[in-house]
Amino acid sequence: QVQLVQSGAEVKKPGSSVKVSCKASGGTFSRYAISWVRQAPGQGLEWMGGIIPIFGTANYAQKFQGRVTIAADESTSTAYMQLSSLRSEDTAMYYCVRDADSGGFGAPYKYWGQGTLVSVSS
Amino acid sequence: DIQLTQSPSFLSASVGDRVTITCRASQGISSYLAWYQQKPGKAPNLLIYAASTLQSGVPSRFSGSGSGTEFTLTISSLQPEDFATYYCQQLNSYPRTFGPGTKVDIK
Repeated sequence: QVQLVQSGAEVKKPGSSVKVSCKASGGTFSRYAISWVRQAPGQGLEWMGGIIPIFGTANYAQKFQGRVTIAADESTSTAYMQLSSLRSEDTAMYYCVRDADSGGFGAPYKYWGQGTLVSVSS
Repeated sequence: DIQLTQSPSFLSASVGDRVTITCRASQGISSYLAWYQQKPGKAPNLLIYAASTLQSGVPSRFSGSGSGTEFTLTISSLQPEDFATYYCQQLNSYPRTFGPGTKVDIK
C-alpha cells in the first residue's frame, strides 16, 4: 500500500522560503508522477506542479513559475516542494499526491499525503 | 488553461435523495476527468476517474458520466457519510485544474 508522509507544519515570515518534503513508501517511486496541490483555508484545491522522478523535469502552474521548485530524490523516495518569496496568501495546506497505479497519461490522484500546513505571518 | 465550473456550488439534501453535480470544462477534455470527495480536515479521496470508472472500494451509489465538456457525478441515494465537498479535476492537460467544489449539506 502506497503511503505518502509529509514533513511537519511550518510558520514563516513574508519574503522567506519554505521547503516541504514528501516521503513515499510501499510502491515504485520513480515511475509515477508526484504532484503538489494546495488548499487555502476554506478554499478549493489548486494544482501547483508535478514531477516524474525518473525523468526529473518538473511541470509548474504558470501562477507559481519562478517561485516554486519541485524536485525528487530517487535514492530516498522523497519529493520536495520549495516555495519562495512567501506572502500571506500562501497560507494553506500543501498536499503531495501520487498518480494511481495505472499510471500513464491522465492518471488520477489516488494517493494523498496527510498535508502540511504552511502559515505565513509577520 | 482549462477552466472547470461546477454547479451547484452548494446543495442541501436529505438522506436517501438522488443528487447530481455537474462539471463543465472550458474546452474538450475527452474523458480525462476525475471526481474527489473531501471531508473537513481530511485530504480529498478519489471517487471516479476517466469520467465514469468507479475507484475500487467506492460505494456503487456513486456514478459518473460525460465526455468532452460536460460531466456529471450522481449519488443515487445519499447516505449520512456522503455529506462533504466534491471536486472535479481535468487530467487532459497541464495545469491539472480543479473545479471550485460543490458542498453537499444536510437538509
